[in-house]
Amino acid sequence: EVQLVQSGAEVKKPGESLKISCKGSGYSFTTYWIGWVRQMPGKGLEWMGIIYPDDSDARYSPSFQGQVTFSADKSINTAYLQWSSLRASDTAMYYCAKQHEMVGPLDAFDIWGQGTVVTVSS
Amino acid sequence: EIVLTQAPATLSLSPGERATLSCGASHTINSNYLAWYQQKPGLAPRLLIYDASSRATGIPDRFSGSGSGTDFTLTISRLEPEDFAVYYCQQYGSSPGTFGHGTKVEIK
Repeated sequence: EVQLVQSGAEVKKPGESLKISCKGSGYSFTTYWIGWVRQMPGKGLEWMGIIYPDDSDARYSPSFQGQVTFSADKSINTAYLQWSSLRASDTAMYYCAKQHEMVGPLDAFDIWGQGTVVTVSS
Repeated sequence: EIVLTQAPATLSLSPGERATLSCGASHTINSNYLAWYQQKPGLAPRLLIYDASSRATGIPDRFSGSGSGTDFTLTISRLEPEDFAVYYCQQYGSSPGTFGHGTKVEIK
């Protein structure tokens, strides 16, 4: 079964750092781009960017460039989303998702992780 | 960045009725790279349609997508109880990929 399993919920204070994970299984992890999607409480989906696990080539939405960092460890089939200094406005659900087809960086997402809730509060 | 506008924001229908959801783009979407997702409360989105009109694996044929250029439509031919949810369109024809704000299909 193809699946993405994300790390558990996090509660952090403003200014703290955080790294959440997304582990793929059941498919060739290195040959499909992984995307990150934010969903703020009660709001819609926001495309944050994508990473290619084989070489860690990352593309960011301008809205998130400089605010977050994507990384990947292909030896353990895991992608990461990290913040160096969290803000209250980072409070949201974060999803990772697998590219549908091996056709290039931009594609629909056919498999989604269960999501990681990040709460930033003093 | 391509902005996607979904209409209506909320659609109130009864089971068995036909649902028509619209997604308009601020610029032409390359190669009609437009997807539709369904999201139920507390769950991750699920891919329904990709490339504007291709159904994803396991998606019932009551879901269909159409359109090209800047105007796209998701049609649910006969609503089942499990279809009441929020639907998002997403374009992946140019970077950054963007989502619409969603249409909530609720029970009338």
